[in-house]
Amino acid sequence: GAGVSQSPSNKVTEKGKDVELRCDPISGHTALYWYRQSLGQGLEFLIYFQGNSAPDKSGLPSDRFSAERTGGSVSTLTIQRTQQEDSAVYLCASSAAGQSNSPLHFGNGTRLTVT
Amino acid sequence: GNSVTQMEGPVTLSEEAFLTINCTYTATGYPSLFWYVQYPGEGLQLLLKATKADDKGSNKGFEATYRKETTSFHLEKGSVQVSDSAVYFCALSVAANSKLTFGKGITLSVRP
Repeated sequence: GAGVSQSPSNKVTEKGKDVELRCDPISGHTALYWYRQSLGQGLEFLIYFQGNSAPDKSGLPSDRFSAERTGGSVSTLTIQRTQQEDSAVYLCASSAAGQSNSPLHFGNGTRLTVT
Repeated sequence: GNSVTQMEGPVTLSEEAFLTINCTYTATGYPSLFWYVQYPGEGLQLLLKATKADDKGSNKGFEATYRKETTSFHLEKGSVQVSDSAVYFCALSVAANSKLTFGKGITLSVRP
């Protein structure tokens, strides 16, 4: 009965390094989302996966960002050549179906700090 | 495009005070509307929702009414508690992919 699990909870990395953030959604949830939460900027949509459909990547801020979802379950968000402006809390969420009124269940996030 | 505008914060209230947090939206299409809450040290969680005009969402003493004519979804509570201290986000989604568009959030602090 676990919720959405994200790892690591905190990540400090040097500018220019690559990082991978992991998300384990709730079992059986077909939709998975990544958001970024920056101080004073609210929640910024990054990418959305729904079943076997092509992901909606419209929110990814640059080509340094990419995400995969393997086997319709676990997802990995990869940031290459990190920059200081990438510092934020990265949130993953899942929902039971891709309907407009299905609530999202969020993980506790990964706090990324780029030094 | 779709957007959500929340009133500027932070908001500080005394316990048992009345709370209103304003939220207005613009949307292409007919949105569903949500309030999410983030308690200190916890992940975001759904507080309440409304899916059509004039619907009222309610939970934990909070209420919000979907007003299509004013494109608003203001959050209210008659008597706040210290435990309501959190960050509150208004959000909308349109169409089948349920991608949520969030406002910037507002921090509520309730004093004993």
